[in-house]
Amino acid sequence: GQQLNQSPQSMFIQEGEDVSMNCTSSSIFNTWLWYKQDPGEGPVLLIALYKAGELTSNGRLTAQFGITRKDSLLNISASIPSDVGIYFCAGHNHGGSQGNLIFGKGTKLSVKP
Amino acid sequence: EPEVTQTPSHQVTQMGQEVILRCVPISNHLYFYWYRQILGQKVEFLVSFYNNEISEKSEIFDDQFSVERPDGSNFTLKIRSTKLEDSAMYFCASREDTQYFGPGTRLTVL
Repeated sequence: GQQLNQSPQSMFIQEGEDVSMNCTSSSIFNTWLWYKQDPGEGPVLLIALYKAGELTSNGRLTAQFGITRKDSLLNISASIPSDVGIYFCAGHNHGGSQGNLIFGKGTKLSVKP
Repeated sequence: EPEVTQTPSHQVTQMGQEVILRCVPISNHLYFYWYRQILGQKVEFLVSFYNNEISEKSEIFDDQFSVERPDGSNFTLKIRSTKLEDSAMYFCASREDTQYFGPGTRLTVL
């Protein structure tokens, strides 16, 4: 089945630093989504990308939908302690399903004040 | 802001017992989903539901699982005879364009 490879698995950064994480797939996705999950809670949608090449921002977060539709990148600028959590990429292909999402394994972000 | 809600937040049950997990999707959404997340692992799709029927299900969603929309607001996941390996966080999601997740139910099977 379709799989998403998300990297890095974990990151330890200093407050104020920028961070990037990415997701790749061997197959095409029509939609890429980035979620953040805090411990014991559900994934919270950060950014949704619908078009190849699209670059979308949400505050300090910027995400890009790769031209090949097989990858996506999430950048967080000027990190703050509340950015700590697990970031998941997710994708789906409208054509092949009723939109069920395939998730990456997550990037665990730790921010040192 | 509308949100997906789930009850209970934590359910502890004995192996072999039946459990029902409840969700109230966002009111104008038409597509509903259940996902599960085993501790420390990624979120996995279980089932999607549209127009009062299952539209897709994963290999995880075997005969022990069932879903129902008993009224205009609730969406439930039933596990008929729980196993130890069913212990996980179960997330409900609903969508119009994009999926929004509930806070989850932590199921612990002893």
